[in-house]
Amino acid sequence: ETGVTQTPRHLVMGMTNKKSLKCEQHLGHNAMYWYKQSAKKPLELMFVYSLEERVENNSVPSRFSPECPNSSHLFLHLHTLQPEDSALYLCASSPSTLTYSGNTIYFGEGSWLTVV
Amino acid sequence: DQQVKQNSPSLSVQEGRISILNCDYTNSMFDYFLWYKKYPAEGPTFLISISSIKDKNEDGRFTVFLNKSAKHLSLHIVPSQPGDSAVYFCAASSGNTPLVFGKGTRLSVIA
Repeated sequence: ETGVTQTPRHLVMGMTNKKSLKCEQHLGHNAMYWYKQSAKKPLELMFVYSLEERVENNSVPSRFSPECPNSSHLFLHLHTLQPEDSALYLCASSPSTLTYSGNTIYFGEGSWLTVV
Repeated sequence: DQQVKQNSPSLSVQEGRISILNCDYTNSMFDYFLWYKKYPAEGPTFLISISSIKDKNEDGRFTVFLNKSAKHLSLHIVPSQPGDSAVYFCAASSGNTPLVFGKGTRLSVIA
């Protein structure tokens, strides 16, 4: 139990569907992240939120839409995805993004997404 | 261009022996380094970290060494146990960049 909970753990969706991934952290952290892990690739940072404001967006396609209603919750809304978007999506949190140094990130268990 | 490189995709070690996982980085601004461990179907778990002001940090069976001049760090696990079998990710950050991860090294500890 890392203090970061993701639901659902597994999701299969068609290319025309709309679905959402949910993340909740119980660590009192101020920063939350979405990462994508594809096979044989490094973990890719998608979005960073600090105190509910987006501070980083690493050129992610608009079919991925994040939402951070408060510092404990983070969503990733999915719309008209492609099969190549199938991957493990990891939510994470950290105490701060004021400085990344010395800032340990804690991950959830991930949501396995399959786009058919 | 990958800023954090783990050049060995896999490593097999006999139980009880030392496991050495290596990581190289290219960005000289990185000043904080972490190792994460990941089991299948789970998220990465923080293992150990080191700041650039140190060259060694030890936590039980796990020791991380940092060689700033070579831009190289390594994780030593001794003695290795079958439960250590997992994928290990090296990560690095600086004051103004989020964590950058390597591709990971799959460690298999053979009983």
